[in-house]
Amino acid sequence: DIQMTQSPSSLSASVGDRVTITCRATESIGNHYLSWFQQKPGKAPRLLIFAASNLETGVPSRFSGSGSGADFTLTISSLQPEDFATYYCQQTSSVPFTFGGGTSVEIK
Amino acid sequence: QVHLVESGGGLVKPGGSLRLSCAASGFSFSDHYMAWIRQAPGKGPEWISYISSSGATIYYAEAVEGRFTISRDNTKNALFLQMNSLRAEDTAVYYCVRDRYSTYDSWGQGALVAVSS
Repeated sequence: DIQMTQSPSSLSASVGDRVTITCRATESIGNHYLSWFQQKPGKAPRLLIFAASNLETGVPSRFSGSGSGADFTLTISSLQPEDFATYYCQQTSSVPFTFGGGTSVEIK
Repeated sequence: QVHLVESGGGLVKPGGSLRLSCAASGFSFSDHYMAWIRQAPGKGPEWISYISSSGATIYYAEAVEGRFTISRDNTKNALFLQMNSLRAEDTAVYYCVRDRYSTYDSWGQGALVAVSS
């Protein structure tokens, strides 16, 4: 199975900060098979980024994704109050389609 | 607008069974792979199964293989998950999810399954 490791597991940041979350796979998964999700308490995950760097319709442009092979990054260019949430990466290259352990973004 | 609504969750004793349903609307259901993803309390999401658009191809996570069965009825725009031999560790919110070219783009609100004596 492909393991997905996110770092950090949590971070504290202020409104306006630039935030970067990394996701590393135990093997190359290509560019097409990496997604990023945002989840708020009591809600289903929401797709932010697909195919590593493509912004989902309706997602603010302050979110961006990059990377290839086994190393990927989610960046929030200027953190907004509504961005405080938990973020997950997921690979869909090979079953089982595993998720990272999550990164909780908290208010400093 | 894509709409996925799960039903059939509830409290069940260890060893018991439940059948989850997902009613899909707002898109061409028969054109899409579908999946079930669960999330245990305080944990991250866990992919457990997917089914191809025709139903011919199915995969399961090792944790549910042999106990859970995914199926679909394209005439009724419905996805199902039959869960047998339930264990305490199956306690989770179960999400019905649409696959759009290997991306899980639409999620239902979730159905809570609690396994406890």
